[in-house]
Amino acid sequence: ETGVTQSPTHLIKTRGQQVTLRCSSQSGHNTVSWYQQALGQGPQFIFQYYREEENGRGNFPPRFSGLQFPNYSSELNVNALELDDSALYLCASSRDFSSTDTQYFGPGTRLTVL
Amino acid sequence: DQQVKQNSPSLSVQEGRISILNCDYTNSMFDYFLWYKKYPAEGPTFLISISSIKDKNEDGRFTVFLNKSAKHLSLHIVPSQPGDSAVYFCAASFPNTGNQFYFGTGTSLTVIP
Repeated sequence: ETGVTQSPTHLIKTRGQQVTLRCSSQSGHNTVSWYQQALGQGPQFIFQYYREEENGRGNFPPRFSGLQFPNYSSELNVNALELDDSALYLCASSRDFSSTDTQYFGPGTRLTVL
Repeated sequence: DQQVKQNSPSLSVQEGRISILNCDYTNSMFDYFLWYKKYPAEGPTFLISISSIKDKNEDGRFTVFLNKSAKHLSLHIVPSQPGDSAVYFCAASFPNTGNQFYFGTGTSLTVIP
């Protein structure tokens, strides 16, 4: 039990639609990171937020965006969904944004794009 | 381009024996490395870490070895227990990039009772 929750558990969308995924971090954790894990692959870093501002981004297009709120919740938004966006989306929270701070992962949201 | 690689998708080991999971990386600028363990329907959980200034770190049954010249990382589990059966990911980060980790593709470990 990491104290990090994600909703929904599963989601089915069609190509071109928009989706919002939600994450609730541990209290006191000021950093949230989002990862995409395609089938058979390791997690790929999308971006991280620290105190409600994006402060690191991986190789993902601008249609992937996020928000972090003061109540330790956050969102990942994906516009204009493509078939290749089908994946498990993981959020992870940590107290700070140092690489040595332990990240606590949620169980993920499984997104299927048809 | 996969900068962190785990070339063994699966590994089976008898209970009580040693499990050795391997990880290779391509970029010598990585300075911090992690191993995560993942059970089905759960997120990855942190297992052990090592900084590039060290070549070994131990935590109970788990030891991580870092060979910088070979760009190779390994995780040793001794003795292996059935509860260790999970997918193991190695991950690496560059200096001053926060939580931006590059993950390998994972190795599924099965410990046979």
